[in-house]
Amino acid sequence: SQELEQSPQSLIVQEGKNLTINCTSSKTLYGLYWYKQKYGEGLIFLMMLQKGGEEKSHEKITAKLDEKKQQSSLHITASQPSHAGIYLCGALNGYNNNDMRFGAGTRLTVKP
Amino acid sequence: SAVISQKPSRDICQRGTSLTIQCQVDSQVTMMFWYRQQPGQSLTLIATANQGSEATYESGFVIDKFPISRPNLTFSTLTVSNMSPEDSSIYLCSVGDRGLGYGYTFGSGTRLTVV
Repeated sequence: SQELEQSPQSLIVQEGKNLTINCTSSKTLYGLYWYKQKYGEGLIFLMMLQKGGEEKSHEKITAKLDEKKQQSSLHITASQPSHAGIYLCGALNGYNNNDMRFGAGTRLTVKP
Repeated sequence: SAVISQKPSRDICQRGTSLTIQCQVDSQVTMMFWYRQQPGQSLTLIATANQGSEATYESGFVIDKFPISRPNLTFSTLTVSNMSPEDSSIYLCSVGDRGLGYGYTFGSGTRLTVV
């Protein structure tokens, strides 16, 4: 099954600083999804990447998928307290599979 | 994208009892998925629920413990049976969403505490 490794496990940054979260797969990724979760709540979809080398941005968050489609990074520019939460990468469990597997998550704290 | 209403949002239950969690989707979807998120952990898939057939359970999860119903294309329930403190988790339902390119939309989650 799809195994996703996320790093770091947790991150504490000062407001205004940039940060990067990584997600690495042991297999080719057929779609890589980034979600944000506030404590104890459901998941909010951020972005989906499908093509090697693809990059997407939404407000101050940018996500990239490498050419080999085995690693993705999520970059936040000029972090704000509203960015705090748990960031999860997810990927479909194979080309013809419909179930999604997740990384362990990165807990982000932004200090004002 | 689909909108999912999940109930209850939280509950505190006595050990040995059962809790049924409901998810209602605002559009017809073929597959619904149930996840568990234990404290401080990521999401683990419990089962996939298709309308008109029995749910498909992942390794480590059994129907007697987590019976699932899927009576139509917009609704599903997950029951956590004979609960123990180890069942204290957040339970989330999800649907594949074509609007997200087969990414998933999630319910708001049910925070379950078993005492």
